[in-house]
Amino acid sequence: SQQGEEDPQALSIQEGENATMNCSYKTSINNLQWYRQNSGRGLVHLILIRSNEREKHSGRLRVTLDTSKKSSSLLITASRAADTASYFCAPSSGGSYIPTFGRGTSLIVHP
Amino acid sequence: GAGVSQSPSNKVTEKGKDVELRCDPISGHTALYWYRQSLGQGLEFLIYFQGNSAPDKSGLPSDRFSAERTGGSVSTLTIQRTQQEDSAVYLCASSLPDSPKPRSARETQYFGPGTRLLVL
Repeated sequence: SQQGEEDPQALSIQEGENATMNCSYKTSINNLQWYRQNSGRGLVHLILIRSNEREKHSGRLRVTLDTSKKSSSLLITASRAADTASYFCAPSSGGSYIPTFGRGTSLIVHP
Repeated sequence: GAGVSQSPSNKVTEKGKDVELRCDPISGHTALYWYRQSLGQGLEFLIYFQGNSAPDKSGLPSDRFSAERTGGSVSTLTIQRTQQEDSAVYLCASSLPDSPKPRSARETQYFGPGTRLLVL
């Protein structure tokens, strides 16, 4: 089944820097979502981008989608220590719209 | 309003015992999902309920796993004869009904805090 693969697996930056995470997937999608997870527990939805969209913004978050390359990226600008978390992409395809998750990118932002 | 809740928060059991995990979705959400996450891994889809339709059980790893949803609200995930490899965090999510909300809202999942299961 469809599953996003995030890259890099781990990312360590200083507060104020930008963080970029990438996601690749294998088959055509309906949409792709990005989620954040703190401390290995519940996930928080960040942003959804549809297959016919190329870029979306939400606050300090910018998501791009390149369907020709089957890839997406999440950019967090002016990072803060509170952005420390794992970030997951979740593409969904087919009729059920069930998002499938990869292993995530572990982001550490040093104050 | 209240989010998705799960109970118990933590569960320790002995190998071979049965366990039941509970999920209370957000009121009015007709779609409900179960995932599990092993240490350092991504989320593995288990089962999906949508309204009165037959559930999508394609992610259940074995016949020891089952889930039901009573009255279109609360869901229980049951693991029979637990094994050590069942140890994981079990996450539940719900999403809005098909209408009249816009599609993007229907597709956004709201996750509970999870149940951490440890099988000794």
